[in-house]
Amino acid sequence: LAKTTQPISMDSYEGQEVNITCSHNNIATNDYITWYQQFPSQGPRFIIQGYKTKVTNEVASLFIPADRKSSTLSLPRVSLSDTAVYYCLVGDKANAGGTSYGKLTFGQGTILTVHP
Amino acid sequence: DVKVTQSSRYLVKRTGEKVFLECVQDMDHENMFWYRQDPGLGLRLIYFSYDVKMKEKGDIPEGYSVSREKKERFSLILESASTNQTSMYLCASSFPQWAGGPGEQFFGPGTRLTVL
Repeated sequence: LAKTTQPISMDSYEGQEVNITCSHNNIATNDYITWYQQFPSQGPRFIIQGYKTKVTNEVASLFIPADRKSSTLSLPRVSLSDTAVYYCLVGDKANAGGTSYGKLTFGQGTILTVHP
Repeated sequence: DVKVTQSSRYLVKRTGEKVFLECVQDMDHENMFWYRQDPGLGLRLIYFSYDVKMKEKGDIPEGYSVSREKKERFSLILESASTNQTSMYLCASSFPQWAGGPGEQFFGPGTRLTVL
């Protein structure tokens, strides 16, 4: 199983760019990196997924170096509403097939606090 | 909008009771998941189902069983609840992904289970 390590907490201020790094030294060839956001009393919500290099969508960017042993979620110009827990998930697709199922591993999460 | 609903937001049970946690999704997803979430441990996968009547163990299946008799419904069963099963339980669902990683999981709001 690919174990992930994230900082426990981070602080930022409104308008700043925030980068959260996830370490996954034993990532497997077929594993993807996925990030989720979770607000209190809610289930996690998908942010972004990638395999290598850089992926960007309307809310975040994901940077993955060539060795894929780490990844960085980048949130541009954060606001107070970005205060949440951010989870790094490493794993393969979860489909039928018994032993072909790739177990999905969540990190412990990073508590991001955005200050005014 | 994808909707994943869980039968209860809060549940209090006694040690030794049989507990059923129900999850229903309305998007015709093949995959369904049960996680538990504990402080400092993040989300841990209990069981996964990729089709009706099909299931696979996750990282921490001990003390739990699951049932999937209909595509939209995935039940988590605690045969004899114990205090160490006090936790937040999250259900999720997704489409199967035949390429390109595990894809997006849609989470329910969670059930906070307390076992006394």
